[in-house]
Amino acid sequence: AQTVTQSQPEMSVQEAETVTLSCTYDTSENNYYLFWYKQPPSRQMILVIRQEAYKQQNATENRFSVNFQKAAKSFSLKISDSQLGDTAMYFCAFMKPYGGSQGNLIFGKGTKLSVKP
Amino acid sequence: NAGVTQTPKFQVLKTGQSMTLQCAQDMNHNSMYWYRQDPGMGLRLIYYSASEGTTDKGEVPNGYNVSRLNKREFSLRLESAAPSQTSVYFCAIHMGQGGSTEAFFGQGTRLTVV
Repeated sequence: AQTVTQSQPEMSVQEAETVTLSCTYDTSENNYYLFWYKQPPSRQMILVIRQEAYKQQNATENRFSVNFQKAAKSFSLKISDSQLGDTAMYFCAFMKPYGGSQGNLIFGKGTKLSVKP
Repeated sequence: NAGVTQTPKFQVLKTGQSMTLQCAQDMNHNSMYWYRQDPGMGLRLIYYSASEGTTDKGEVPNGYNVSRLNKREFSLRLESAAPSQTSVYFCAIHMGQGGSTEAFFGQGTRLTVV
């Protein structure tokens, strides 16, 4: 069974600085997807960034980038130039590339990020 | 979130009462999922439906039933609510392939059982 571990329950960063959120996972699969989701106080789940395991290149989305280390089963999220609006819970998640019975998301427990002015 | 609609957004129940959470999608996708979110636990899968007419248990199915009424709708029912079912519930669909793979979530339902 797959597991996802986020070892930092809470983190804080000063506005405009850079912060890295950690995520490790365990799987025997070779092909899969990894995600970072943001959950602000509104409760909405918002996709931040996605990584396909067969792609060696790290995904980037504007100020958000990942460091994907497949052999180490590590998937960290770097937020550059942090903004007050980045304050939220961040969830790392794993998904197999199948639908239906195997395509559910496995989530970590989350990291609460606070951006301070 | 566009495409997945959940109702209600908030609900307070007394222990032993029943209720149904509704989920509807307009993205014409086969697979639908119900998750619950508890503090410090992330989201965990309750039930899923791979296609119309099929449902199956996830990680935490006890105390719940589901119905896939048609391709659009997937409901979650609590027959006799318990305080342990106090949680935030999310309906989701997973779609796309390759670089467009993504899960779309409803707005969530905050349920309190007293």
